[in-house]
Amino acid sequence: DAKTTQPTSMDCAEGRAANLPCNHSTISGNEYVYWYRQIHSQGPQYIIHGLKNNETNEMASLIITEDRKSSTLILPHATLRDTAVYYCIVSPNSGNTPLVFGKGTRLSVIA
Amino acid sequence: GAVVSQHPSWVICKSGTSVKIECRSLDFQATTMFWYRQFPKQSLMLMATSNEGSKATYEQGVEKDKFLINHASLTLSTLTVTSAHPEDSSFYICSARDPGQGPNQPQHFGDGTRLSIL
Repeated sequence: DAKTTQPTSMDCAEGRAANLPCNHSTISGNEYVYWYRQIHSQGPQYIIHGLKNNETNEMASLIITEDRKSSTLILPHATLRDTAVYYCIVSPNSGNTPLVFGKGTRLSVIA
Repeated sequence: GAVVSQHPSWVICKSGTSVKIECRSLDFQATTMFWYRQFPKQSLMLMATSNEGSKATYEQGVEKDKFLINHASLTLSTLTVTSAHPEDSSFYICSARDPGQGPNQPQHFGDGTRLSIL
């Protein structure tokens, strides 16, 4: 079973920041927080991941609370192409451990 | 960056036939690959873990004789849906991680194979 809780859906105006929350209150010390997104009829696309420090890359920023029980993915300037289902996943950083997907958040970016 | 490729991207076939789906790691070697299935409006469900040179590990409820997995090389895993029926119609996705990028790298996914059984 997925160890994360996310809102079912969210809307965001084009050009504004999209803030997607995720609760993972039972996260273990060796588990990372991963974010993926899936655009319709495509495979999941990796966005970002982190352990305890905030992370930023060319796609997004990841803010992890100090107790690591929740995190927020931030898309700084959402575009229509960011409309997708966003999955927050916690998992040990091991190549032999599969990712377990929850239901994710369906983000709709509106013009 | 790491790239995972699937083939075919889309297949339609008659009930009772067998269908083979390929998953390749294009620029890295993967001793482990994962196969997922996704039904419409649902999330990805892990089917099995494909291990190079050994038997695959199947999740509970997934029939190993129905979904044959072969991981014969470090860059290729195949999933064969045997005697496919309409209820096997789904979106099949594979993933792998590039161990050469270090211990802190994510899984990468293929673009999926949409299987439709008539």
